[in-house]
Amino acid sequence: GENVEQHPSTLSVQEGDSAVIKCTYSDSASNYFPWYKQELGKGPQLIIDIRSNVGEKKDQRIAVTLNKTAKHFSLHITETQPEDSAVYFCAAEFSGSARQLTFGSGTQLTVLP
Amino acid sequence: ETGVTQTPRHLVMGMTNKKSLKCEQHLGHNAMYWYKQSAKKPLELMFVYNFKEQTENNSVPSRFSPECPNSSHLFLHLHTLQPEDSALYLCASSQQSGQGANEQFFGPGTRLTVL
Repeated sequence: GENVEQHPSTLSVQEGDSAVIKCTYSDSASNYFPWYKQELGKGPQLIIDIRSNVGEKKDQRIAVTLNKTAKHFSLHITETQPEDSAVYFCAAEFSGSARQLTFGSGTQLTVLP
Repeated sequence: ETGVTQTPRHLVMGMTNKKSLKCEQHLGHNAMYWYKQSAKKPLELMFVYNFKEQTENNSVPSRFSPECPNSSHLFLHLHTLQPEDSALYLCASSQQSGQGANEQFFGPGTRLTVL
C-alpha cells in the first residue's frame, strides 16, 4: 500500500514569515495530492490539492509543488498569520480499487505574533 | 459547516457498553468513509462505502461494525471496545467518479473515550 511521510511534525514561525511542509510518498502510481488543515475541535478541511499533470499550484498565500520523479510534494504558506496556526496533513491517493487517501502524520504549525 | 454532520460530538463508554456513532452528509455524494484519528498518528482509514456498498475494510476489529442504510447516512456500531480504541472518529464523504479521487469533506468528529 501507500506510505506517506510528513516533516516536520512541529513548526513555529514568526508572523509574516513563510512556512514549508514537506511530504514524500511511495506509490509511484499516485496522482492526486491534497492538503488539509485541521483546527482545534474541527475535522480536516481541504485547503489546496494538486494532480500529477501539474508541477505547481497557487491559491493566494498558499502554494503546493509536486516532484513526481522524486515522489515528494510540499506546501508553502507565505505571509503567515496567527489564524494559519493549525495542524496540516498531506495525503496521497492510493491507487487501489476505491481510490483511497493515505495521510501523513501531520504538522502542528504555530504562527507567533 | 462542511455539509457533513456527526453525532454525538463526545462519547464516554465502558468496555461492556454498546453505542453507535452517526454521520449524515447533505452534499449528494456517493461515497462515505470512517477514519480513526489518534494522537501523534496519521488518520487511519477504517471503512469505505460506495453507493451504500462496503468496498473497503482496512483490517478493522469486529468490535467496530459499520452500517450504511443509504448514501446519505453512515453509522459505526461499537461494542466491547478497549481503552486503546479511544480516539477521534471522523466521517467523510466524497463524489467518486471514474476520473480519480476527489475532495473528501470531513465532519467535526466524535471524541470517544473508552473507560
